[in-house]
Amino acid sequence: SQKIEQNSEALNIQEGKTATLTCNYTNYSPAYLQWYRQDPGRGPVFLLLIRENEKEKRKERLKVTFDTTLKQSLFHITASQPADSATYLCALGESGGYNKLIFGAGTRLAVHP
Amino acid sequence: DTEVTQTPKHLVMGMTNKKSLKCEQHMGHRAMYWYKQKAKKPPELMFVYSYEKLSINESVPSRFSPECPNSSLLNLHLHALQPEDSALYLCASSRGNMGDETQYFGPGTRLLVL
Repeated sequence: SQKIEQNSEALNIQEGKTATLTCNYTNYSPAYLQWYRQDPGRGPVFLLLIRENEKEKRKERLKVTFDTTLKQSLFHITASQPADSATYLCALGESGGYNKLIFGAGTRLAVHP
Repeated sequence: DTEVTQTPKHLVMGMTNKKSLKCEQHMGHRAMYWYKQKAKKPPELMFVYSYEKLSINESVPSRFSPECPNSSLLNLHLHALQPEDSALYLCASSRGNMGDETQYFGPGTRLLVL
């Protein structure tokens, strides 16, 4: 069956450290993968997109990797801040799919001062 | 303006009521989406409109009826809902639907069905 798995437990880290979030998938062939941030009671906000032929993308303190062999994406936040505390969702998109995104359940990140 | 607006923010309705959710964007986007999100669950796609035509219906019950009157506006008409339909309803838009397009989400309408 098709699955997208993100760390189900909350991730607690100290301010200034690097947070690493994992997204694993099974029985999908994504053409691209996106990461979104969602705060409680709000809509998701786009952060980064990475395509199947790309290994790594960066934007300011954010970095995402995509390994189609391992069927895994890693999302890193360096020099984390309490304001980074939120739920982070990965979303897969398959080619020719009307931009249809399939979301993982998300990982809640808490950055402590 | 990179904003998607949704009204109302909150809605409480009985199982015999008819109500509508509204979504608007003025970014010139030609694809618009409705998602349903239950607590601690991922957003689940319901409908996709592309150039004002319904492109995807993810086998959503007919008590949910989408409408796209023009390229800026998306409605979701609700009728005879069940308590299990209580959720956060999210609208999103993207520039097109050719794949790998960023989706811009609205803040959502929190719906409670009694």
